[in-house]
Amino acid sequence: QKEVEQDPGPLSVPEGAIVSLNCTYSNSAFQYFMWYRQYSRKGPELLMYTYSSGNKEDGRFTAQVDKSSKYISLFIRDSQPSDSATYLCAMRQTGANNLFFGTGTRLTVIP
Amino acid sequence: DVKVTQSSRYLVKRTGEKVFLECVQDMDHENMFWYRQDPGLGLRLIYFSYDVKMKEKGDIPEGYSVSREKKERFSLILESASTNQTSMYLCASRPGTGGRETQYFGPGTRLLVL
Repeated sequence: QKEVEQDPGPLSVPEGAIVSLNCTYSNSAFQYFMWYRQYSRKGPELLMYTYSSGNKEDGRFTAQVDKSSKYISLFIRDSQPSDSATYLCAMRQTGANNLFFGTGTRLTVIP
Repeated sequence: DVKVTQSSRYLVKRTGEKVFLECVQDMDHENMFWYRQDPGLGLRLIYFSYDVKMKEKGDIPEGYSVSREKKERFSLILESASTNQTSMYLCASRPGTGGRETQYFGPGTRLLVL
């Protein structure tokens, strides 16, 4: 079983839709949770970062962590064509150096 | 702004060649990482370094080595390139101490081994 599972999609939505992206994980020691956005042929860039459980909002983006269910989500409101990218979840334990990544979900927002 | 640069965006090499991939960061970060990214497999950690001349194996170190002679530079070496090393290679860096957790990625090097 992989440490982090993520539905690869692809996911296509019309402009203005609410998008929900999700990851599940198996290691209860993960405490730091991140979402990266990767445009085609570019390196990933950090989008959202949360520590432990709870919600975090940044503009049109909301990250949720439910540690009891080992489940994290990224919501995108009022999606735009410029949101078309691959979204990667990542997580790590306290004190550890390396991140565990999901395989990424490819999102296309259709104008 | 943090900047992580990689020496090449695209490389084509032949089987058996020795390949060097260079990564430079300009933010005085202690930690540097090399990943490869393949469809359906996501990012997999090859090696990381938490200080000059220090290195740790990641999940898939076989066929690779690394060098960190200066804090800002982390090199990935393919001793004898093989076709199964065709991939996208991503370098990242991160500050050493606590606080905001993030890894900053370079733009990637797309390597094709023929």
